[in-house]
Amino acid sequence: GEDVEQSLFLSVREGDSSVINCTYTDSSSTYLYWYKQEPGAGLQLLTYIFSNMDMKQDQRLTVLLNKKDKHLSLRIADTQTGDSAIYFCAEGGGSYIPTFGRGTSLIVHP
Amino acid sequence: NAGVTQTPKFQVLKTGQSMTLQCAQDMNHNSMYWYRQDPGMGLRLIYYSASEGTTDKGEVPNGYNVSRLNKREFSLRLESAAPSQTSVYFCASSESDLLSPVGTSTYEQYFGPGTRLTVT
Repeated sequence: GEDVEQSLFLSVREGDSSVINCTYTDSSSTYLYWYKQEPGAGLQLLTYIFSNMDMKQDQRLTVLLNKKDKHLSLRIADTQTGDSAIYFCAEGGGSYIPTFGRGTSLIVHP
Repeated sequence: NAGVTQTPKFQVLKTGQSMTLQCAQDMNHNSMYWYRQDPGMGLRLIYYSASEGTTDKGEVPNGYNVSRLNKREFSLRLESAAPSQTSVYFCASSESDLLSPVGTSTYEQYFGPGTRLTVT
């Protein structure tokens, strides 16, 4: 079955870059997503990448997709304390039931 | 446009009590979902409704029932609450290609703010 794996924690210093990694198994996914969950709130879409793309940049966010290795990463440049949150990788799209990873807690130290 | 709304925000139940969690969306989405979130477990799908009039079990359906009342509303019922059901419950909705041609949507999920349920 489908599976999405990501590490549980990442700790960085304010101003550094953060890289959150994710691997997935379902090669038929149409979209791959990154969701952000702030404390006490629901998940909110941060960015996404269509499965036929290799890279997507959106201000401080860069998403890289390696379809051959089924590896997705999210890079946050100039990480700020406000970026502290849980980041979920997910794959799906169309009529697929999306599959979520367990979430990576990003802790940003001043 | 309120997005996805959930009630209540917080609830404490005694073991054996019943309750219904309410969810509504105003985005005219076909698909709706109920998840539970527990520490270290990520999101686990309880039930989903691909379209109005259909419901299907997800990964962890035992102890729950759902009703897709209409296109807007999808409720989750705990008939006899157990301490193992202490969790944060999220409702979500999304467009799907059942009715939308592929390429007209990114099919992202929109989440409600969650219901924090404690069963003692």
